[in-house]
Formats: sequence, structure tokens, C-alpha cells
Amino acid sequence: DIVMTQSPDSLAVSLGERATINCKSSQTILYRSNNNNFLAWYQQKPRQPPKLLIHWASTREPGVPDRFSGSGSGTDFTLTISSLQAEDVAVYYCQHYYSTPYTFGQGTRLEIK
Amino acid sequence: QVQLVQSGAEVKKPGASVKVSCKASEYTFTGYYIHWVRQAPGQGLEWMGWIDPNVGDTDFAQRFQGRLTMTRDTSTSTAYMELSSLRSDDTAVYFCARGHGDSGAFDIWGQGAMVTVSS
Repeated sequence: DIVMTQSPDSLAVSLGERATINCKSSQTILYRSNNNNFLAWYQQKPRQPPKLLIHWASTREPGVPDRFSGSGSGTDFTLTISSLQAEDVAVYYCQHYYSTPYTFGQGTRLEIK
Repeated sequence: QVQLVQSGAEVKKPGASVKVSCKASEYTFTGYYIHWVRQAPGQGLEWMGWIDPNVGDTDFAQRFQGRLTMTRDTSTSTAYMELSSLRSDDTAVYFCARGHGDSGAFDIWGQGAMVTVSS
């Protein structure tokens, strides 16, 4: 199974500042035949289901603010929130969908400093 | 709008089974995989398996071998997840989610169904 490891486990950032969350997979999730990284990022607020923010490592879902961006390739990935807003307080998860089982990272809790 | 609506909360005794439903609306049910994901209280997300509503094929995490059954009813656009031989550590919120049309990510989620296993 591919293990997804996020860092840090929790993060406190001031409003308007940049937040960066890292995700590392135990093996590559880059599918070379189409050069796509099989990596998604989700945001989960309390008592809500997760919300898909980004797939293919860097493709934002429609309606997701452009302050959210994803980057990385192979085994190392990053979710960046360029200017933190109050409504961004949540737990963020990375997930691979390269092969089953589709595992998630353990989550990163993002708070306001 | 496109949505998945799940059945309500359940309380079960150890050893029993639970069946959770997930009704799709406003899209072609047979055109997208349905995944099942669970989340124990205060914990992270755990992928359980998927079903292809078109043909009924399934795949699931090995840890649920022999306990997990995923089915669908195309006439009602509803997917079902049944977990048997319940244990206390099966207490969790169970989500269904739609597989994204372009990628394997999960773009639409049900609201979740709380399953409590307690004697």
C-alpha cells in the first residue's frame, strides 16, 4: 500500500499570510504515460464531509478560490494557501488515487494565529 | 443540484451488520464510480472501497475482506454499503463519494452516516 505522510500535523498562520502543507507518498504517484500525478487535496470543516479542492496535484476544482494552489510531482507535493482567510480554518487531507487502496494522509489542522 | 444523500444514523451491537444507502441525484448514476470512506471519531479518513454502478464491479481495501459488501440499484440510483461482524472500532461516520469524471478523486460527497457499535 502507498503511505501518504503529511507535515506538519498542525499549523497556525496569521490572517493574510501564507500557509503551506506538505504531503509525501511512499512511492511515486506520477503515471508517466500521461504525466499526471494521481494526487488530490481535500478540505474538511467540522461536522462536514470533505470538499475536493485540487486533483491531478495542481488542478483546482471549479469554484475553489485561486488562493489555493497545489504543486509537486512524483512523491512530494504541497498545498499552498497564499493569503489565509478566516474561512480556511479546517483540516486538510492529501490522497492518492494511483492504485487501490486509495489512502489519505493523516490530515493537517490549520488554525489562525 | 448534483448530490448524494445518505441514510440516517444507526446503532448496532457487536457482531451485527449495518447497511448504509447513498442515493444519487441530478447526474447519470451509472457513469461514475461510488466510493465509500469512513472516519472514526476525531480521526482521519479511511478509504474502504468502490463500486462501478454500471456493471456492479467492486474493489475494496484488504482489511475489510469478508466483511464488506457494496451493491447498487440502478433503478433508484442508490448505492449500498453493508459491513458485517461489527466491532466497536467500526464506530465511525461512513461517507459515500462520487469518483471524479476526469480523475480518480472524489468530487461529490454524501453528508455521512454515523454508525455506532455498542453493547
